[in-house]
Amino acid sequence: GQNIDQPTEMTATEGAIVQINCTYQTSGFNGLFWYQQHAGEAPTFLSYNVLDGLEEKGRFSSFLSRSKGYSYLLLKELQMKDSASYLCAVKNQAGTALIFGKGTTLSVSS
Amino acid sequence: DADVTQTPRNRITKTGKRIMLECSQTKGHDRMYWYRQDPGLGLRLIYYSFDVKDINKGEISDGYSVSRQAQAKFSLSLESAIPNQTALYFCATRPDDYNEQFFGPGTRLTVL
Repeated sequence: GQNIDQPTEMTATEGAIVQINCTYQTSGFNGLFWYQQHAGEAPTFLSYNVLDGLEEKGRFSSFLSRSKGYSYLLLKELQMKDSASYLCAVKNQAGTALIFGKGTTLSVSS
Repeated sequence: DADVTQTPRNRITKTGKRIMLECSQTKGHDRMYWYRQDPGLGLRLIYYSFDVKDINKGEISDGYSVSRQAQAKFSLSLESAIPNQTALYFCATRPDDYNEQFFGPGTRLTVL
């Protein structure tokens, strides 16, 4: 089976840096995704990691350690618009679909 | 125009009614998915399809059925709606050669 854990809620201040962790247990690893979802809206793709290491994309970076079953999403120079839910997802064992974690709701205050 | 559209966007229905949620896409993707989202439970996969002749069950398919009428259209049906099917439903598409899924705007369904 597959299991994904991430914190339910986090708070941070505008301009700060926040790290959202995700741990997973999976029968076969085929890649890990991060999506952003604003309240009442559709999820939008942020990053995809299949190899160990850090992938940087502007203010957002995503890290993966396959041996530890661990990933994090790093958000720098936080802005109010970054207040959203962040969803960690892994491909299922067959590699045909995504299994999502329950999401981390980030609140950014001024 | 949006690449992935869902109709209706909001629907209130009664227990026992049959209801269909529709998804259309102009992205030309073969792969399409239906998810439901409940507070505190995240996104859960209901059904997915890799082409018109291919339908696969996800983790929570009981009580649902789907139809892939064309490459661009993928419908989700609740044959006899029940209150615990009240949720936000998302359709998503994905090209064969790229990992990103593109989500529609969602349908908020309430079953009374």
